Parts: sequence; C-alpha cells; structure tokens
Amino acid sequence: RKEVEQDPGPFNVPEGATVAFNCTYSNSASQSFFWYRQDCRKEPKLLMSVYSSGNEDGRFTAQLNRASQYISLLIRDSKLSDSATYLCVVNTYGQNFVFGPGTRLSVLP
Amino acid sequence: EADIYQTPRYLVIGTGKKITLECSQTMGHDKMYWYQQDPGMELHLIHYSYGVNSTEKGDLSSESTVSRIRTEHFPLTLESARPSHTSQYLCASSEDWAQYFGPGTRLTVL
Repeated sequence: RKEVEQDPGPFNVPEGATVAFNCTYSNSASQSFFWYRQDCRKEPKLLMSVYSSGNEDGRFTAQLNRASQYISLLIRDSKLSDSATYLCVVNTYGQNFVFGPGTRLSVLP
Repeated sequence: EADIYQTPRYLVIGTGKKITLECSQTMGHDKMYWYQQDPGMELHLIHYSYGVNSTEKGDLSSESTVSRIRTEHFPLTLESARPSHTSQYLCASSEDWAQYFGPGTRLTVL
C-alpha cells in the first residue's frame, strides 16, 4: 500500500461545479499536510497548507481528519484555469516529503 | 514566488556525454531535493541533502550523483547520459515547512 493515496481521477467537471478531492495517508506520525497544484509539464506549486481546524482560501477549502488519516480539498465554482493535477503531500518530522500520485482535474466550458 | 532556479531549462544531448544540471536557491534553506518525473507520471525522489556536505540517495535508484558544497547550490551530474535518462528533473528546497520547486530541466538524450 502506498504511503499517500489519492482519488485516481481524472475528474471532468463543467465550469461552476464544486469538486472534492480525497487523500489518505498511512503514517500516523505525519505532522504537516499540503495540497500542491501541477500544470502540465510545469513544476508543482504550493496551493495551500492543511491545518487541523480546516482552512479556506477563496474558493478552496482544505480539511484534515487526523483520526481517519484523511485530507480533502474542495474547489467551489470551478474555473477553466483550475484544470491541473492536484497533489496531496504529507511530511513527517525528520523524514522526507511524500507526494501522492495526484488527481487530474479538467474543467470543461 | 520561490527563489529557486534551475539551468538549463531544456537540454538535448547525445548518448555518452557528461552533463550537470544546476540548481540554486537564495532562501537559505538547508534541505534540498532532486526529483525525476516522466510526463503524466508521479514524482520520484532521487537525491536529497539536509545541509552542506550531506547527500543521500532517494527512493528511486538513479545513476546520477549530487554534491552540496554550498548551502545555495545542489548540482546533479550524469557521467554518461543514456536515452533512459530522458525525463524532467525537478529541484526543490525546504525548511521546516513546505517544499518549493524550481522550474525543472527537461532532458532528452538521443
């Protein structure tokens, strides 16, 4: 079993839709959690950190459930420019970052 | 925007050549990483460093080598390039928080 798993995708949604991505991690000692966005043939870019209390940045909401070892990302009112691959990333102190395989999103006009 | 740079951005080279991919960051981060990624595929960690004179191999076996003589600089070297080395190479750095990536080097070995 992979240390970080994500919805396999791809997700094809119409503009304006709400889409949710799920991620699970296996290391209960993990301490830091992030969502990255990667456009085709570009480098991953930090989208947002995920805090225990949940956090929101505009149309994006991230949630963390430590008991279930589960992270989510919700995108509301999706735009064409949201089309990308979304990577779930987990970090444990003293260890390296672990990237999930990514979930590809295509927002259609 | 992260201050991490990679050169060259694109490289097409013949089999057997020695190449060095450059990576530098101006954020003073101790930790630096090299990843390899094929189109549409996952990132694979090939090397990392937690500070000057510290280098370790990552999860994916690689014929490349790295050095860390200065905090800001983490070059990757392939002694003899082969077509199987064709891929995108991404450098990243971090402190005790998120990683920041450079723009990558797209390597093609003919």
